[in-house]
Amino acid sequence: AGVTQSPTHLIKTRGQQVTLSCSPISGHRSVSWYQQTPGQGLQFLFEYFSETQRNKGNFPGRFSGRQFSNSRSEMNVSTLELGDSALYLCASSLHRLNEQFFGPGTRLTVL
Amino acid sequence: AQSVTQLDSHVSVSEGTPVLLRCNYSSSYSPSLFWYVQHPNKGLQLLLKYTSAATLVKGINGFEAEFKKSETSFHLTKPSAHMSDAAEYFCVVSDAGTASKLTFGTGTRLQVTL
Repeated sequence: AGVTQSPTHLIKTRGQQVTLSCSPISGHRSVSWYQQTPGQGLQFLFEYFSETQRNKGNFPGRFSGRQFSNSRSEMNVSTLELGDSALYLCASSLHRLNEQFFGPGTRLTVL
Repeated sequence: AQSVTQLDSHVSVSEGTPVLLRCNYSSSYSPSLFWYVQHPNKGLQLLLKYTSAATLVKGINGFEAEFKKSETSFHLTKPSAHMSDAAEYFCVVSDAGTASKLTFGTGTRLQVTL
């Protein structure tokens, strides 16, 4: 099985918070998150490996994430803004130096 | 910091004709470069990768790319386009020391006509 993400679609209102989930390919230990919008394109959010954040992109502190011991990862966005509407993609790799495999994404709409 | 520039936002070719999608990179070190494809309403799929081995890289579905250090280019080519190739293509560079932090180009939309 490939990378799975849940939920597929999500609608929230401004000010709410949201948690997105990502299950990597079995055996993969590195998980990264990306945001895709028509205006800004694909942008890196965070990278996790062995439950530790290794890199963080240029996003405000409202965006946070974590990785569990089974390599599954979650990202959280607090105090949602309209501009947070995007496709959020998760990617996993065997190790930090291996190519990434992407999930289908979670489409977040903020009203 | 590393970056990639995709020189065409939109490319249109006829089925059966060659495809050329252009990408230039900027990096202060020897980069790892990738091409990913995104079909409508689907996730990103890795087409091919360059990691300082052979400069001509062969990927899936007949695509290949050539790393040219002197030109800082990594153009994607295919000898004969198929209707199923219509999609968005992204040139990507990874950060030093990790392939888990990717910087994407702005994408090239490939249209294939009959």
